[in-house]
Amino acid sequence: GQNIDQPTEMTATEGAIVQINCTYQTSGFNGLFWYQQHAGEAPTFLSYNVLDGLEEKGRFSSFLSRSKGYSYLLLKELQMKDSASYLCAVNPGGGNKLTFGTGTQLKVEL
Amino acid sequence: GAVVSQHPSRVICKSGTSVKIECRSLDFQATTMFWYRQFPKQSLMLMATSNEGSKATYEQGVEKDKFLINHASLTLSTLTVTSAHPEDSSFYICSAISQGPVGYEQYFGPGTRLTVT
Repeated sequence: GQNIDQPTEMTATEGAIVQINCTYQTSGFNGLFWYQQHAGEAPTFLSYNVLDGLEEKGRFSSFLSRSKGYSYLLLKELQMKDSASYLCAVNPGGGNKLTFGTGTQLKVEL
Repeated sequence: GAVVSQHPSRVICKSGTSVKIECRSLDFQATTMFWYRQFPKQSLMLMATSNEGSKATYEQGVEKDKFLINHASLTLSTLTVTSAHPEDSSFYICSAISQGPVGYEQYFGPGTRLTVT
């Protein structure tokens, strides 16, 4: 089976940095995605990692360690609009299906 | 960029009736689309893979006779919830595969909120 774990909730302060962790145990691995989802809306793509290391994209960075089955999403200079659910998803291979984690609800406070 | 639309965005129906949800890729062709269901404060659960011109592939535990999927063209997939019951009330999201900056990516529709009374 596929298992992807994320913290359920996190709270951070505007302007700060927050790291959202994701661990996975899947039958195979062909890439890891991070999505942002605001309440009642569809997920939007944030990042993709298939090789070990850090991918930086503006205020958002994502890290992957395949040997550890671990990824994190780093959000810098937090803004109130960053309050959302962050979904970690793995492509276990054999097609384009994604398995999603439970999502981390991030609340940004003043 | 790749845009996926869904219609309707919200629907309320009575128990026992059927509801059809459309998923369209607006500016690209998609041989593969996915249908997800999301309950409040939970993550996306894949229901089925919709393949143009062939039968859909359903995930374990999803009743294919209850959730009918038709992918009749390269830009349209439909999900029909038959004989809906209150427990079918959920947020239904589709996605379509397209070539993106990092390879094949899933682009999500805006979702359909189904409420069965």
